[in-house]
Amino acid sequence: DAGVTQSPTHLIKTRGQHVTLRCSPISGHKSVSWYQQVLGQGPQFIFQYYEKEERGRGNFPDRFSARQFPNYSSELNVNALLLGDSALYLCASGAVRSGNTIYFGEGSWLTVV
Amino acid sequence: GIQVEQSPPDLILQEGANSTLRCNFSDSVNNLQWFHQNPWGQLINLFYIPSGTKQNGRLSATTVATERYSLLYISSSQTTDSGVYFCAVPNYGGSQGNLIFGKGTKLSVKP
Repeated sequence: DAGVTQSPTHLIKTRGQHVTLRCSPISGHKSVSWYQQVLGQGPQFIFQYYEKEERGRGNFPDRFSARQFPNYSSELNVNALLLGDSALYLCASGAVRSGNTIYFGEGSWLTVV
Repeated sequence: GIQVEQSPPDLILQEGANSTLRCNFSDSVNNLQWFHQNPWGQLINLFYIPSGTKQNGRLSATTVATERYSLLYISSSQTTDSGVYFCAVPNYGGSQGNLIFGKGTKLSVKP
């Protein structure tokens, strides 16, 4: 079975632009979480979606939004990009059962110039 | 929120050496995970260990939940063990998809 897949792997955007990142979870997983990881830090939680509903939101501005589709894939959208949004964006999927771990994709490297 | 602290922040080892990485957390948690991040950014699950000890090859982990810490042991280290090791715990009221990560321990294993 395929793991968590993310696209694009690398992208460069200009300040003020908008970006959409995509994630496909592991088959059978209904939960998708998004994390931002800046250089030298641990991943920071942005959103979690389960069955198309938002289950958690981290401390990020309203410029960040996400959604989950009926096939459980997900998009993360960031508007009005700032230089500080440059980071590795990680998607993770899980089965949301007690004792289950979450599994990460390879991430999308975003550079804002 | 819960604070997660990892030590040491950096560790350099000679191939074949053993090491212990530590993760302290500020409040009671119902699970804890250890991850390895390779140089390309991929986070790989190592252990899901809310309490007790688990072993997987040269790696083992112990969590003492009552004392709010977890340890990751790496024995006979290899150059492929290099990377950043993170521990993570669930956020208050969150499910296992809503994790708080430490800042990591960067391990470099020299040949």
